[in-house]
Amino acid sequence: DAGVIQSPRHEVTEMGQEVTLRCKPISGHNSLFWYRQTMMRGLELLIYFNNNVPIDDSGMPEDRFSAKMPNASFSTLKIQPSEPRDSAVYFCASKWEGSPLHFGNGTRLTVT
Amino acid sequence: QQPVQSPQAVILREGEDAVINCSSSKALYSVHWYRQKHGEAPVFLMILLKGGEQKGHEKISASFNEKKQQSSLYLTASQLSYSGTYFCGTASGSARQLTFGSGTQLTVLP
Repeated sequence: DAGVIQSPRHEVTEMGQEVTLRCKPISGHNSLFWYRQTMMRGLELLIYFNNNVPIDDSGMPEDRFSAKMPNASFSTLKIQPSEPRDSAVYFCASKWEGSPLHFGNGTRLTVT
Repeated sequence: QQPVQSPQAVILREGEDAVINCSSSKALYSVHWYRQKHGEAPVFLMILLKGGEQKGHEKISASFNEKKQQSSLYLTASQLSYSGTYFCGTASGSARQLTFGSGTQLTVLP
């Protein structure tokens, strides 16, 4: 079991640029979650998918953020255009019904 | 709504005990506990699904008081490896998503 795989591990970009974060959930898991972690706000749920369908995106900060899950083994979180306040660690997590949440190692995003 | 954790931080000596509390203003279906070490992902510790349920793993255990909408994590005879930030995540009703508390930073000193 390779676990949840996220890429890149670190991303440094300039304000206004597009950023795409990627996630491969654990095989067989049917729910996928995107969380953002900052010192000020802790772990915030941005969006989650069940069977590749977005269920709750109420945590997405604004229209600059979008997420897709084209198939059961891949999801992306895109920020366009990026702003310095988007700097955070972004975690992807997946689970099966009744199982605990398994987190990836995160992507540390820095927007200058 | 985010659950409230207390204390925000605690410093212990090896061998001492600690209790971390998590309370919610909403009725809870389950409580999940995670530990995160600096620069790493949160790691699952345990789930409590029923009111009154208690679970334990080695010297870390937890309880869930459904009526009071709160859970507590107990660390006994703490070890250096217990250092990290502990998060409770709560789920209400049939919701699959977890809402996490702000975390409790635990430091165990030799």
